[in-house]
Amino acid sequence: DVKVTQSSRYLVKRTGEKVFLECVQDMDHENMFWYRQDPGLGLRLIYFSYDVKMKEKGDIPEGYSVSREKKERFSLILESASTNQTSMYLCASSFGGWLAGDGREQFFGPGTRLTVL
Amino acid sequence: GESVGLHLPTLSVQEGDNSIINCAYSNSASDYFIWYKQESGKGPQFIIDIRSNMDKRQGQRVTVLLNKTVKHLSLQIAATQPGDSAVYFCAERTYNFNKFYFGSGTKLNVKP
Repeated sequence: DVKVTQSSRYLVKRTGEKVFLECVQDMDHENMFWYRQDPGLGLRLIYFSYDVKMKEKGDIPEGYSVSREKKERFSLILESASTNQTSMYLCASSFGGWLAGDGREQFFGPGTRLTVL
Repeated sequence: GESVGLHLPTLSVQEGDNSIINCAYSNSASDYFIWYKQESGKGPQFIIDIRSNMDKRQGQRVTVLLNKTVKHLSLQIAATQPGDSAVYFCAERTYNFNKFYFGSGTKLNVKP
């Protein structure tokens, strides 16, 4: 089974702190994603990466950065945490390529619930 | 950008009944759709997918229907069980490979 793990389930930080959220997948997936999930808004894509050291902005990248130094690991960084970044953060991974179906679905981690005070 | 929406935010059904969860999508160029299930405290889990060249796909107790004419997706769950209680999301993949857009979710409550 694909396993996507996230470093913390719950995290409490203070405004202005630098925050690191780590994600690791064990299926040799090319693609990795970071989403945030807020009530009534669904999952919104922050950043994604389709290869090591490659990254692309999603729909809401402001206030975030990412790092992918190894294929299995994708980090989300909040440079200076703010209260409006309080949310559930979900990491996902998938195989790469254009082909629809055939295992191209995204596999999700359990999420990190971040509270910024 | 694209939008993926759900008609009903909450659906309550009796155990043993069939459930239908609906989803509207806006991008006619989307080529791949997925239904996810998210239980409380967990990340979304894949249920079933369908490509745009299909109109129906069946899994174990679940069926996804795709109507491209009206850009509508539905998830049918047969003989709904208490373990089916969760939030269900539809997601569409745009031409921009492997980038998905998710709906806000429908909460399914199964009454024993």
